[in-house]
Amino acid sequence: KNEVEQSPQNLTAQEGEFITINCSYSVGISALHWLQQHPGGGIVSLFMLSSGKKKHGRLIATINIQEKHSSLHITASHPRDSAVYICAVWRGGADGLTFGKGTHLIIQP
Amino acid sequence: DTEVTQTPKHLVMGMTNKKSLKCEQHMGHRAMYWYKQKAKKPPELMFVYSYEKLSINESVPSRFSPECPNSSLLNLHLHALQPEDSALYLCASSPRDRSSGNTIYFGEGSWLTVV
Repeated sequence: KNEVEQSPQNLTAQEGEFITINCSYSVGISALHWLQQHPGGGIVSLFMLSSGKKKHGRLIATINIQEKHSSLHITASHPRDSAVYICAVWRGGADGLTFGKGTHLIIQP
Repeated sequence: DTEVTQTPKHLVMGMTNKKSLKCEQHMGHRAMYWYKQKAKKPPELMFVYSYEKLSINESVPSRFSPECPNSSLLNLHLHALQPEDSALYLCASSPRDRSSGNTIYFGEGSWLTVV
């Protein structure tokens, strides 16, 4: 079993839909990142969470430390949101991120 | 400046060539990382430098040789690579200090093709 599990692996939705991507982890962490990767390759950290909830524009990220679960929500989705979204954790005492397998999101006009 | 700059963006090399990938950041970050990413897979950690010293080598073959000349630069020297080494190579940096230690910044990556 992977230490970081994401669902769904693939998601296709219509423009304007509310999107939710889930992440569960089985290890102790010091922080969790939601990352976005476009086909060009570069990765951007959208959020870093150690507790609670963060909002940036149309994106919202939540984390429940007790349940070892995090969600990324996109409101009013747009085709430019099409990308791979990756959940990654900093494990306590270790270096380097541990990644989920990613969610490939396509938003159709 | 919150950028991690990687060069070259694309590299095609033969199996007998010697080449290098370069990574640079000027954010004063003390930890720098090399990741390898194959198509439709998450990144895999290769090396970690902490305070310019190699702290993690994830059992990477010796045909990959990292170097950290100073706190802003990270190189990955490539020699006698195999076609299966073709991948996107990502550099990242992180402060790893008490106040903002868990933030991380990635470069755009270097697309490597071994022929």
